Amino acid sequence: DAKTTQPTSMDCAEGRAANLPCNHSTISGNEYVYWYRQIHSQGPQYIIHGLKNNETNEMASLIITEDRKSSTLILPHATLRDTAVYYCIVRVQMEYGNKLVFGAGTILRVKS
Amino acid sequence: DVKVTQSSRYLVKRTGEKVFLECVQDMDHENMFWYRQDPGLGLRLIYFSYDVKMKEKGDIPEGYSVSREKKERFSLILESASTNQTSMYLCASSLIQGGHTEAFFGQGTRLTVV
Repeated sequence: DAKTTQPTSMDCAEGRAANLPCNHSTISGNEYVYWYRQIHSQGPQYIIHGLKNNETNEMASLIITEDRKSSTLILPHATLRDTAVYYCIVRVQMEYGNKLVFGAGTILRVKS
Repeated sequence: DVKVTQSSRYLVKRTGEKVFLECVQDMDHENMFWYRQDPGLGLRLIYFSYDVKMKEKGDIPEGYSVSREKKERFSLILESASTNQTSMYLCASSLIQGGHTEAFFGQGTRLTVV
């Protein structure tokens, strides 16, 4: 299974863009990249996903390199409520169904 | 809204006990998952199920089993609890639509084995 590597922690100033990198150098051609975040004492929540192209939604943007070996999650204007653990995940396709393979995550601290 | 409900937020059990963790989802999802979460290790997949009575081992299945008799319910069983199974356990369910899989997580069960 593809594995992901993320920095253990990052700090970001409130109102600035937060750029969270992820390395997934062993990803296969049909495996999606997903990002989830987990706020303290809650279950992880979906943010965004992509396969090859860059993606944007109301929460974030996802930039995937052309070789698909890495990606960056961008929170354009970080707020204090964005302080959380961010997980970069590879979705592995199985014969029946699929599974999400989590890494250790990045602790993002947004500071005022 | 999709709801994934885990039966307990906190649980304390004794070593050697048989422990059942229950998870119920209300959105008719095919896929259900059990993860455990430990500091510095993130979420690790224990078992998942893609249909009733179907199950697949995840990355750390040893010491655990699962049961899925109904589509909405996925149970994690610790046959003989040990102290190294003290952890946060997270259940999730997902539906595949157009290739996109969004997993919805429960609030978690913090299990302490003494």
